[in-house]
Amino acid sequence: EDQVTQSPEALRLQEGESSSLNCSYTVSGLRGLFWYRQDPGKGPEFLFTLYSAGEEKEKERLKATLTKKESFLHITAPKPEDSATYLCAVQARGGSYIPTFGRGTSLIVHP
Amino acid sequence: NAGVTQTPKFRILKIGQSMTLQCTQDMNHNYMYWYRQDPGMGLKLIYYSVGAGITDKGEVPNGYNVSRSTTEDFPLRLELAAPSQTSVYFCASSYSTAAGSKAQYFGPGTRLTVL
Repeated sequence: EDQVTQSPEALRLQEGESSSLNCSYTVSGLRGLFWYRQDPGKGPEFLFTLYSAGEEKEKERLKATLTKKESFLHITAPKPEDSATYLCAVQARGGSYIPTFGRGTSLIVHP
Repeated sequence: NAGVTQTPKFRILKIGQSMTLQCTQDMNHNYMYWYRQDPGMGLKLIYYSVGAGITDKGEVPNGYNVSRSTTEDFPLRLELAAPSQTSVYFCASSYSTAAGSKAQYFGPGTRLTVL
């Protein structure tokens, strides 16, 4: 059974204080790993897709990296508008290709 | 493109009532999904569809039904509403083939309360 564990559950940062969110996964052959951002009262919004170990993607202050067991979402010099819940999902090879989601990390950035 | 649209945004039901949550996508995606999200519990898959006329159960299908007669629409039916169905419901779509899968695109959600 595919499993996704995100840590920490919640993270509070001061504006400008860089940090990383973790997504550990167990899957029988990774097809893709996805990161989403979810603002309160809204649906998740796609950020990145990673397909193979060593791959990196960047967008503004966010950088996602992937190893064979986990992915990190690095947040550099965060701003209050980066406050959101960040969700990770993995998709396995074979079967129905339905992604498995983690429970998310709630990030609050204080000014 | 409007992306994924859901109606209604909010709804209050009495126990035992029924309703249909509407979902439409205009991206010609083959896969569509229904999730429920409870506080601190993440997204739980209710039903999904890999194309028109094909649906399958997810993790928590009891108390729900779906149909997919067109590529664009994927309504979720709640029969005999119960307080345990109080949640936020998200519809999503994606394009997936044997060669590769793209990310999911989510609607804005329907907040349902059953009293």
